[in-house]
Amino acid sequence: DGGITQSPKYLFRKEGQNVTLSCEQNLNHDAMYWYRQDPGQGLRLIYYSQIVNDFQKGDIAEGYSVSREKKESFPLTVTSAQKNPTAFYLCASSMKGLANYGYTFGSGTRLTVV
Amino acid sequence: QKEVEQDPGPLSVPEGAIVSLNCTYSNSAFQYFMWYRQYSRKGPELLMYTYSSGNKEDGRFTAQVDKSSKYISLFIRDSQPSDSATYLCAMSASGGSYIPTFGRGTSLIVHP
Repeated sequence: DGGITQSPKYLFRKEGQNVTLSCEQNLNHDAMYWYRQDPGQGLRLIYYSQIVNDFQKGDIAEGYSVSREKKESFPLTVTSAQKNPTAFYLCASSMKGLANYGYTFGSGTRLTVV
Repeated sequence: QKEVEQDPGPLSVPEGAIVSLNCTYSNSAFQYFMWYRQYSRKGPELLMYTYSSGNKEDGRFTAQVDKSSKYISLFIRDSQPSDSATYLCAMSASGGSYIPTFGRGTSLIVHP
């Protein structure tokens, strides 16, 4: 079955550590996106990529980094520069230029700073 | 003022009720409108999308767009406890990356 796989489901980070969240899709979608979801704030765009080896900052990119070396994969690194990283992180994908017809989302990674 | 406003709820209704979920927006350039359903601790799933104004029906769900009032609605008929979830509206403009702007989501509880 086609879909998006995010791992791990739960992640704990010590202050000062970088952590990487995995996102893999087998939908043959060109575009991939990372969102952060906090209670009461909806979805906020962190980074997105329309094609391999290219990505753009979203609304809240500070303290995050991404790479897009393969069409299927779009990992997100939460760096120590992100001051408040505890949140639910969602990866999504769509065909290029078709985000207006809806995303396919992964099941999310819940990151907690301990 | 946020571009997309959505009452977070919770909205609590009895089983079988007709549910109305709404969003308002300020950007007149929005042309594409989407509704997502998100169960607790899961990713959102796309329920419906519509283009421009009008109604679209899919089973028990009807999406309605009124561009003149900058108001969109999702109606759920014969609501079931399994409909209990958070419903997110999203909308995007033509051109560019088409990346949507999301509402905060409305929490719906359908009790037996």
